[in-house]
Amino acid sequence: ELKVEQNPLFLSMQEGKNYTIYCNYSTTSDRLYWYRQDPGKSLESLFVLLSNGAVKQEGRLMASLDTKARLSTLHITAAVHDLSATYFCAVDKISNFGNEKLTFGTGTRLTIIP
Amino acid sequence: GAGVSQSPRYKVAKRGQDVALRCDPISGHVSLFWYQQALGQGPEFLTYFQNEAQLDKSGLPSDRFFAERPEGSVSTLKIQRTQQEDSAVYLCASSLHRSYEQYFGPGTRLTVT
Repeated sequence: ELKVEQNPLFLSMQEGKNYTIYCNYSTTSDRLYWYRQDPGKSLESLFVLLSNGAVKQEGRLMASLDTKARLSTLHITAAVHDLSATYFCAVDKISNFGNEKLTFGTGTRLTIIP
Repeated sequence: GAGVSQSPRYKVAKRGQDVALRCDPISGHVSLFWYQQALGQGPEFLTYFQNEAQLDKSGLPSDRFFAERPEGSVSTLKIQRTQQEDSAVYLCASSLHRSYEQYFGPGTRLTVT
């Protein structure tokens, strides 16, 4: 059974600082996603990582994937308040029925303090 | 263009009542998924449709949960005899086809009292 673990679960950081969220998964996968969720809102896709060594950047966020270590990271550079949200990683694997199936981590609740 | 929409956005049900949650996927999207997100947790897969065919229902927690997509577009998730543990946000997602990115709707927050 595929398991996805994120850490930390909660992260409070000051504006301007850098930090990294980690996502470990237990079996090989096809793709890895990072999502953002604001309170009471749905999931917003941030990144899709397809292959070993993939790195994607958008603004102050950068995601990377190491398929050998089964590890993805989401790095936040010079955090600003509007990055406060819950961040989920999700691993996409083809099920026994032939459909892709996302397995999510428990999420990292990020609070940026002014 | 229009994204995935869900209705109602909020539903309060008394224990034992039946509820029906609706999902309107993005027009032309073949694949449709339902997820359950408990408070403070990540979403968990419930079921998958390809057009009108329900190909994977391995995540449905009990036989009280039933989903349909009769014309390959709108989908309904029905929960019979609701229990308190059914309280969660139910998310619907659609994708153009297999292996394409999933787009999520705003969810329906179900509270069972």
